[in-house]
Amino acid sequence: RKEVEQDPGPFNVPEGATVAFNCTYSNSASQSFFWYRQDCRKEPKLLMSVYSSGNEDGRFTAQLNRASQYISLLIRDSKLSDSATYLCVVTGRGGSQGNLIFGKGTKLSVKP
Amino acid sequence: GAVVSQHPSRVICKSGTSVKIECRSLDFQATTMFWYRQFPKQSLMLMATSNEGSKATYEQGVEKDKFLINHASLTLSTLTVTSAHPEDSSFYICSALKRGRGTEAFFGQGTRLTVV
Repeated sequence: RKEVEQDPGPFNVPEGATVAFNCTYSNSASQSFFWYRQDCRKEPKLLMSVYSSGNEDGRFTAQLNRASQYISLLIRDSKLSDSATYLCVVTGRGGSQGNLIFGKGTKLSVKP
Repeated sequence: GAVVSQHPSRVICKSGTSVKIECRSLDFQATTMFWYRQFPKQSLMLMATSNEGSKATYEQGVEKDKFLINHASLTLSTLTVTSAHPEDSSFYICSALKRGRGTEAFFGQGTRLTVV
């Protein structure tokens, strides 16, 4: 089983749509979880951390289920500017901070 | 957010030559930096962990003699790809850990290496 698995997509959605991405991870010792956004040929940028209690930042909601080792990201009212690849990221062996394990990413394309 | 500068952003080199990539944390000190490699349509793969003042820790399958890492100061880590081959062509990205109330990894802009 891969360390971090994501549906690669692409997800093609119209503006204003709600879209959800899922991610599973294999290392039960992982301590921290994140969603990063990566635009084409650019470096990843932190979108949000994911907490056990779930967290929301504007149109973005992230949730974590430790028992199922499952992370989700919900984007409401999609904008054209949301088009990017969304990377599910967990900390690696021993839960070491900064030793980030990346999923392959889910590509989102928001159309007018 | 913090700033991590990576240089060069793009390099083309001949097979057999060596290329050095620099990663600098501009506004914070980073005792730990990471080097990743990303092939087209693939995820970022951790190559090595660079610790200031000590030897880097390489991931399985990454040749330490080919990918030389030096982290001589708290703001600079370098990755040298020695005797580059076309299969080394990839997108190389560094990240630096900023420790504070929370710990966050900040990424350099990446270096696109093409070996011809």
